[in-house]
Amino acid sequence: QKEVEQDPGPLSVPEGAIVSLNCTYSNSAFQYFMWYRQYSRKGPELLMYTYSSGNKEDGRFTAQVDKSSKYISLFIRDSQPSDSATYLCAMYSGGSNYKLTFGKGTLLTVNP
Amino acid sequence: GAVVSQHPSRVICKSGTSVKIECRSLDFQATTMFWYRQFPKQSLMLMATSNEGSKATYEQGVEKDKFLINHASLTLSTLTVTSAHPEDSSFYICSASSPRWGKNIQYFGAGTRLSVL
Repeated sequence: QKEVEQDPGPLSVPEGAIVSLNCTYSNSAFQYFMWYRQYSRKGPELLMYTYSSGNKEDGRFTAQVDKSSKYISLFIRDSQPSDSATYLCAMYSGGSNYKLTFGKGTLLTVNP
Repeated sequence: GAVVSQHPSRVICKSGTSVKIECRSLDFQATTMFWYRQFPKQSLMLMATSNEGSKATYEQGVEKDKFLINHASLTLSTLTVTSAHPEDSSFYICSASSPRWGKNIQYFGAGTRLSVL
């Protein structure tokens, strides 16, 4: 079993839709959770950063962490064509090696 | 957010030559920089972690002599692919972190696409 599982998609939605992206993980030591957005042929861009369980909202984006279920989500409200990208979840245990464990990424297309 | 500049964005080279990729943190001091490799439609694979002024820590399976990493200052790290071969063709991405945010928050460069002929 991989440490982090993420459905690669592709996911195609109409403009204005609510998008739900998810990752599951197996390592209960993970405490820090991140979502990155990566446009084609570009480096990842940090979108959301959360610590432990709970919700965090930033504009149209909401990140949720459920540590009891080992499940994290990213919701995008009122999706726009400019949101079309690959979304990568990443997580970290807080250990001294500072390594992030990434999901494979979900390719999202928002159609105008 | 923090800005990380990576150069060049694209490089094409002949087999057997060496290629240097630079990663700079423009508006913060990066005590730690990370180098990743990404294959098409795959996630990022960590190659090595470098701390300023010390030797890089390579991940298992990554050849130290082939992928030379130097982190000479708090704002610059370089990755040199030595004697490049077609199988080294890939997308290489650096990231940087700072005590300001904690080392688990990494800001990424735009990546370098290496094509070895």
